[in-house]
Amino acid sequence: KQEVTQIPAALSVPEGENLVLNCSFTDSAIYNLQWFRQDPGKGLTSLLLIQSSQREQTSGRLNASLDKSSGRSTLYIAASQPGDSATYLCAVRQRGGGSEKLVFGKGMKLTVNP
Amino acid sequence: NAGVMQNPRHLVRRRGQEARLRCSPMKGHSHVYWYRQLPEEGLKFMVYLQKENIIDESGMPKERFSAEFPKEGPSILRIQQVVRGDSAAYFCASSPVTTRTNTGELFFGEGSRLTVL
Repeated sequence: KQEVTQIPAALSVPEGENLVLNCSFTDSAIYNLQWFRQDPGKGLTSLLLIQSSQREQTSGRLNASLDKSSGRSTLYIAASQPGDSATYLCAVRQRGGGSEKLVFGKGMKLTVNP
Repeated sequence: NAGVMQNPRHLVRRRGQEARLRCSPMKGHSHVYWYRQLPEEGLKFMVYLQKENIIDESGMPKERFSAEFPKEGPSILRIQQVVRGDSAAYFCASSPVTTRTNTGELFFGEGSRLTVL
């Protein structure tokens, strides 16, 4: 059974810091991995998607890497801003078995202080 | 291209009543997923549907919960005889058919927040 873990559960940093958010998963048979952002009371916004054959993806100040063999992904946020404060969720999409559902971690709540 | 549309955004029900949550996928998407998010917990998979078919309902409670995605119209998640423990945010996501050239990315709606009194 696939399990996705995000540690720590919460992080508070001053503005301007470069951040690394970690995600680990137990089953490497994945189709892809997706990072999301969720603001309080809102839905999920897709940030980056990495296919299983890829090593990393970049979008603006965000960079996500994937090491499928070790079951790890990191989301790198450069020069953090207060507007980056949100909960960040990592999810892997299972491969095969007739179902391609996403399995989510519990998320990491990020607070960037001005 | 409108995103995934869910309604209602907020729903209040008394114990024993029925709740119906609707989800219209993005245009061109034929796969729909329902997830539940309990307070202070992650998103838990409930059910995966394609048009007129339930593909995987392994995350759906065996009783009181049902889902459908008819040929015409939105997908509906139905909760009968609601209890306080059903209070949660219910999210719908859609994706296109997965192919070699398709990223298989899921797009989520804003969610429907159910409160059971």
